[in-house]
Parts: sequence; structure tokens; C-alpha cells
Amino acid sequence: QKEVEQDPGPLSVPEGAIVSLNCTYSNSAFQYFMWYRQYSRKGPELLMYTYSSGNKEDGRFTAQVDKSSKYISLFIRDSQPSDSATYLCAMSATGGTSYGKLTFGQGTILTVHP
Amino acid sequence: GAVVSQHPSWVICKSGTSVKIECRSLDFQATTMFWYRQFPKQSLMLMATSNEGSKATYEQGVEKDKFLINHASLTLSTLTVTSAHPEDSSFYICSAALDTSRGRGNEQFFGPGTRLTVL
Repeated sequence: QKEVEQDPGPLSVPEGAIVSLNCTYSNSAFQYFMWYRQYSRKGPELLMYTYSSGNKEDGRFTAQVDKSSKYISLFIRDSQPSDSATYLCAMSATGGTSYGKLTFGQGTILTVHP
Repeated sequence: GAVVSQHPSWVICKSGTSVKIECRSLDFQATTMFWYRQFPKQSLMLMATSNEGSKATYEQGVEKDKFLINHASLTLSTLTVTSAHPEDSSFYICSAALDTSRGRGNEQFFGPGTRLTVL
């Protein structure tokens, strides 16, 4: 079993839809949770960074972490064609005052069509 | 802020030759950088952690003599693929972590990647 599981999709939605992306994990030591967006043939871009459980909102993006269920989500409101990309979740057991090794999910391919 | 660059963006080389890839943090100092490898439609696989002024730490299964890492300064790390073979063809991505003193040690910023093709 992989430490981090993420449905690879592909996921196709119409413009304006609410998108829900999810990851589950097995390592209860994970405390730091991140979402990255990666366009084709480009490096990942950090979207959201959260620590422990709870919600965090940034513009059209909302990240949720439920440590009791070992489940994290990223919601995209009013999705746009420019949101079409691969979304990667990443997690770390350490960080903050030390450098943490990231464990990535497989990535979900999202297409938002006009 | 937090911009990371890589050079070259793509490279084609013959089997048996060596290729050097540079990773630079442009607007911040990075004591620690990371090197990843990504195959098509797959996630990032951490190869090694590069520390300024000391030896890199390699992940299990990664040949340190084949993938040479040098972190010469707080803004530059290099990955050299020695005696490259076709199976080394992949997308190589580096990242740099922000300052731990600000409590953001695992907030990594990634370079644009280098596509290596070995003929």
C-alpha cells in the first residue's frame, strides 16, 4: 500500500463547476499538507500549505485536512480552463524548524472545458 | 519571490556521456535543495537531498556514483548524470526549501524541470 493515495483521474468538468480533489494517507505522523499544481512539462507550483487539521482558504481554493480520517481535500470554486493541470498532494511528517521530506500522491489530471 | 530556475530546460545526449543540470534559487538562499525524478504521468520521486557545504543524502535505490550532486553555494546545486543510458531519460526537477528559522522548512519551491533524453 502506498503511503499516499490519490485518484489519478482524469477528471473533466465544465467551466464554473466546483472541483473536489482528494488524497488519503496511511502515515499518522504526517502533519504538514500541501497541494501543488503542475502544468504539462513544467515544475510543480505550490498552491496551498497547511499544518495539522482544519481548513484554509485562498481565493478560489480551499484546502481541508481531517487527520482523524487521514483525508485531505482541495476545492476549486468557479473553475476556469486555466485550472486545467495535474494536481499533486504532498505531505511531510517534519518541517517548520527542520527540512521535511515530502511524500507525493500520484497526481490528478484535471480538465476544465469551456 | 521564491523563484527557482533550472538549466538547461531540455538536453539530448548520447549514451555514455555525462550531463550536468543546474538548479538556482534566484531570490533567496537555500541551505537545502532537493532533486526529484518524474516519469510520464507519474508522481515525483525524491532522489536526494542536497545540503550546502556537505555531502548529499541519497534515497534508497539511487546510485550516488551515477547521480553526482554538488551544492557549491547557498543559491546553486548541480546534478550530474554520469555515463548516461537511455533508461536515465526522464524529467528531472529540483526544489529549494525556505528558511527553517521562519518555521517553513518543508515549504518547497520547484524549478521548471529539465527533460533529459539519452539516445
